[in-house]
Amino acid sequence: TQLLEQSPQFLSIQEGENLTVYCNSSSVFSSLQWYRQEPGEGPVLLVTVVTGGEVKKLKRLTFQFGDARKDSSLHITAAQPGDTGLYLCARHGSGNTGKLIFGQGTTLQVKP
Amino acid sequence: GAGVSQSPSNKVTEKGKDVELRCDPISGHTALYWYRQSLGQGLEFLIYFQGNSAPDKSGLPSDRFSAERTGGSVSTLTIQRTQQEDSAVYLCASSFSSGPNEQFFGPGTRLTVL
Repeated sequence: TQLLEQSPQFLSIQEGENLTVYCNSSSVFSSLQWYRQEPGEGPVLLVTVVTGGEVKKLKRLTFQFGDARKDSSLHITAAQPGDTGLYLCARHGSGNTGKLIFGQGTTLQVKP
Repeated sequence: GAGVSQSPSNKVTEKGKDVELRCDPISGHTALYWYRQSLGQGLEFLIYFQGNSAPDKSGLPSDRFSAERTGGSVSTLTIQRTQQEDSAVYLCASSFSSGPNEQFFGPGTRLTVL
């Protein structure tokens, strides 16, 4: 299967806490993307990871691609209310069309 | 505007009616995608356009769904004889070209079928 399984599905934390979201599959991917979506808006690309073991940082967000390129994680340090939203991992489908296959998403709520 | 726009933002219709959803991609973007986002199914691919051609329609759930793109720009997704299970947010995205390029999403059209 080439499904993407995200966990947890829902996360509610206090401002200042750290959290990690996981995206797993049994298949190897050439690349994986993370998106963030706010209510009433479309997803916005945060990062693309390509190389096994790659780590990318975006302010307080750290993205990691597993060595075997089958899994990825998103770690947020000192979460803030502005981080609230739906986080989605996605991979490109077959055929080089660019179509995206998304995980189910993780809804994050950060309480002040 | 510089981004992808969609209209209407909200659409409420009765079961059995036809609806048309519109997407205006970013100018110059040749690739256009339609996705559907629902509570039970997450965000699913529907159809992909390269220019005015749709080489991948594999995600359309039934023959009640169709889409076209004209002038390499505006796209319309049509749902005939709507059913309650069609209720979802329909998202459009565009990218400079096909392949693993960044896609820019519109705000979506929320469709409610009563």
